[in-house]
Amino acid sequence: SAVISQKPSRDICQRGTSLTIQCQVDSQVTMMFWYRQQPGQSLTLIATANQGSEATYESGFVIDKFPISRPNLTFSTLTVSNMSPEDSSIYLCSVEGQSGSSYNEQFFGPGTRLTVL
Amino acid sequence: TQLLEQSPQFLSIQEGENLTVYCNSSSVFSSLQWYRQEPGEGPVLLVTVVTGGEVKKLKRLTFQFGDARKDSSLHITAAQPGDTGLYLCAGGRGYQKVTFGTGTKLQVIP
Repeated sequence: SAVISQKPSRDICQRGTSLTIQCQVDSQVTMMFWYRQQPGQSLTLIATANQGSEATYESGFVIDKFPISRPNLTFSTLTVSNMSPEDSSIYLCSVEGQSGSSYNEQFFGPGTRLTVL
Repeated sequence: TQLLEQSPQFLSIQEGENLTVYCNSSSVFSSLQWYRQEPGEGPVLLVTVVTGGEVKKLKRLTFQFGDARKDSSLHITAAQPGDTGLYLCAGGRGYQKVTFGTGTKLQVIP
């Protein structure tokens, strides 16, 4: 299993500003995923990030609002741009358990709890 | 849209009681995972089931995949406060994106 760290663990931001969340994995992985979660609720996939290509965004999420970088096989960033209180949530990154496996197992970072005032 | 409905949504029980959480869908999945998430942490993988009718045990936790691979259940025997958390099922269909269940929030009272 991969070990994943995220920075920051939490932040309180003013509306209109932007926050960049970092995700570091201890091994090389093909795909990284970014999710949003309201406390105690399910996960919503924001986008899938492959190294060397543009991220693939899910319906309801756009690159201008959530730009993603994937400069190498162990690192990714998600930026939440021009924040509003509706962006207050937990943001999680994850990776597949086994590259190329069809089992869809994922390993998650500890999450970033964002509060927008 | 593939939906995975979990029931119950919330569960508060006394230590020592048994409980079952259900994960249901109208879609067939090639694999199904169960995760547990504690406050301030990311979800942690508990188990993967891939064969219809498969039963897996993890100490006091028993997981079953439905015969038609559309549903699953998680049974906890003699629940302990350490079992408290958010339980999420997730269904996979090969190389398509994973669908997460609606979640079950469990509280075990000492």
